[in-house]
Amino acid sequence: QVQLVQSGSELKMPGASVKVSCKASGYTFTTYGMNWVRQAPGQGLEWVGWINTNTGNPRIAQDFAGRFVLSLDTSVSTAYVRIPSLKAEDTAMYYCARLFCSGNTCWYDSWGQGTMVTVSS
Amino acid sequence: QSVLTQPPSVSAAPGQEVTISCSGGTSNIGNNYVSWYQQLPGTAPKLLIYENNRRPSGIPDRFSGSKSGTSATLGITGLQTGDEADYYCGTWDVSLSAGVFGGGTRLTVL
Repeated sequence: QVQLVQSGSELKMPGASVKVSCKASGYTFTTYGMNWVRQAPGQGLEWVGWINTNTGNPRIAQDFAGRFVLSLDTSVSTAYVRIPSLKAEDTAMYYCARLFCSGNTCWYDSWGQGTMVTVSS
Repeated sequence: QSVLTQPPSVSAAPGQEVTISCSGGTSNIGNNYVSWYQQLPGTAPKLLIYENNRRPSGIPDRFSGSKSGTSATLGITGLQTGDEADYYCGTWDVSLSAGVFGGGTRLTVL
């Protein structure tokens, strides 16, 4: 069965960097795109971006462009999101979500368990 | 502020039915299919409805979806206490070239 397993919680100082991983299993990794979704404490879901697992081409939401970096290691079926210079407002749960597409529509059919990133001095 | 608008909360008694609306525009809902996600307390979101009204296997037929123009609706019948969760609509916005979600609706089963 499809599984997305994310790395553990992180506690970081402002200005530090963090890299969250999402390891996929149960399917051919390069067949489906991978998305990242952020959820600040007590808030709703916010789309961060997605990466084409076949080409490695990322697409990042305007609010996060220039700060968030999406990458892959297809040899271990893993997607990553890296935030180079953390701010307090980056404190959130980060989810990876597999993108399933059929025809001209897509949806997020499997989700990781989430990785809590806390930014605090 | 979310691109898609949902009511912050809805409530109903066990056994009753409830609907949750999701309002957008021509660049998102009006131009694309809608999916819905259920987030139980302390857990990751889970796909509930895709392509406006289709249910993944394992989702009971108490859950339904519909879309008209630039709005979509999630319906839940025969409410159970286990349905208490946050519900989110989602789609793609062609103007933003980005995925978008509603702000979420908290369902309380009284």
